[in-house]
Amino acid sequence: QSVLTQPPSVSAAPGQKVTISCSGSSSNIGNDYVSWYQQLPGTAPKLLIYDNDKRPSGIPDRFSGSKSGTSATLGITGLQTGDEADYYCGTWDRSLSAWVFGGGTKVTVL
Amino acid sequence: EVQLVESGGGLVQPGRSLRLSCAASGFIFDNYAMHWVRQAPGKGLEWVSSISWNSDTMRYADSVKGRITISRDNAKNSLDLQMNSLRTEDTAFYYCAKDGGGSGAYPYFFDYWGQGTLVTVSS
Repeated sequence: QSVLTQPPSVSAAPGQKVTISCSGSSSNIGNDYVSWYQQLPGTAPKLLIYDNDKRPSGIPDRFSGSKSGTSATLGITGLQTGDEADYYCGTWDRSLSAWVFGGGTKVTVL
Repeated sequence: EVQLVESGGGLVQPGRSLRLSCAASGFIFDNYAMHWVRQAPGKGLEWVSSISWNSDTMRYADSVKGRITISRDNAKNSLDLQMNSLRTEDTAFYYCAKDGGGSGAYPYFFDYWGQGTLVTVSS
């Protein structure tokens, strides 16, 4: 059972939009920045979003992040087959004194 | 170009030890905290351990505390993970990751990851 809760899967047709939620608490998301990671099949995770809503260089603006209270959201617009991957949110938990990840969300392009 | 290359994984019996290494290049190694994150086959990501830029502070997940030691050699741009008393539940891909901006052992975010090394604990 992950400290951060994500839906196990989301899906949409090519060109459509999906959103992935990441729900936490005041000891984690509510008090620290959230980052998001994309893991394509058989590869290492890759940073997608940091500081809640910032994109590293090279990440297309189809990917966006936001945070409100104790929840964060990753949005992907203009869905492409190459976006099929697992997506994880993560942040520091002050009560646990540990970095925590969400359980991951599998994105499927129909 | 930032590169992180892990090594040292393999098959080991329960209760035995293993040492993982991560060779870093393409950035000023001693400016950043470094981390280990693992992923059991078919499962999600789990943070394992972090070390500050000067080895002043180390942090561990409760699941590995007392059995695992993180260390770094800034002169060699290398990061290590000494794993003792290994358990079957330690079976996972182990990723070395660079901190996104902090030098302390409080992870900020993970901006670069290695390709991972597989540790299999089985009799």
